[in-house]
Amino acid sequence: DTGVSQDPRHKITKRGQNVTFRCDPISEHNRLYWYRQTLGQGPEFLTYFQNEAQLEKSRLLSDRFSAERPKGSFSTLEIQRTEQGDSAMYLCASSLGQGTGELFFGEGSRLTVL
Amino acid sequence: GESVGLHLPTLSVQEGDNSIINCAYSNSASDYFIWYKQESGKGPQFIIDIRSNMDKRQGQRVTVLLNKTVKHLSLQIAATQPGDSAVYFCAERSYGGSQGNLIFGKGTKLSVKP
Repeated sequence: DTGVSQDPRHKITKRGQNVTFRCDPISEHNRLYWYRQTLGQGPEFLTYFQNEAQLEKSRLLSDRFSAERPKGSFSTLEIQRTEQGDSAMYLCASSLGQGTGELFFGEGSRLTVL
Repeated sequence: GESVGLHLPTLSVQEGDNSIINCAYSNSASDYFIWYKQESGKGPQFIIDIRSNMDKRQGQRVTVLLNKTVKHLSLQIAATQPGDSAVYFCAERSYGGSQGNLIFGKGTKLSVKP
């Protein structure tokens, strides 16, 4: 399968714990995006990278959230000191970059904070 | 709140009928629009896109119509099949805005009756 892959698919954690999600984009895609989706809502933009550079961060991305893409390939999204309000589906997407808005999404990582 | 978000607009159609899903957008500066399909437990899947210099674009069994005067977007699905059952999201990007920041609508749930 050469699509976007995310790991883990499901994560249950206790409030206050740290969690990390990984995303492997489609190999030739230089852009990588993180979105968050809560039940019944559309995805909300969090941040995106072009190669290893993080070019934009949403105001939704509090200082407890950090994303990296160290070598311009896979990316990680870490949430520190999780809160119940962080419970959501975290979606990763990738694209070839300019000229098209078509984002290819992964299956998502569902986070439940107890 | 969460309970309001659960009440997605729902469109129920008979198999073989045509479906029309509507979306209103608010930003007149948006220059690019996309429709995504999201099946339960999966990430959004690209269906079709349209730029603001067009008012209609056709794909396989799908047509997107853009009315910039009233800021309205619609997705038409011909000969709807059970496999079309999903939540459909429109997304927009503002001219000059972030290359990564697609703004998604709330979504419409399409239910196809056999």
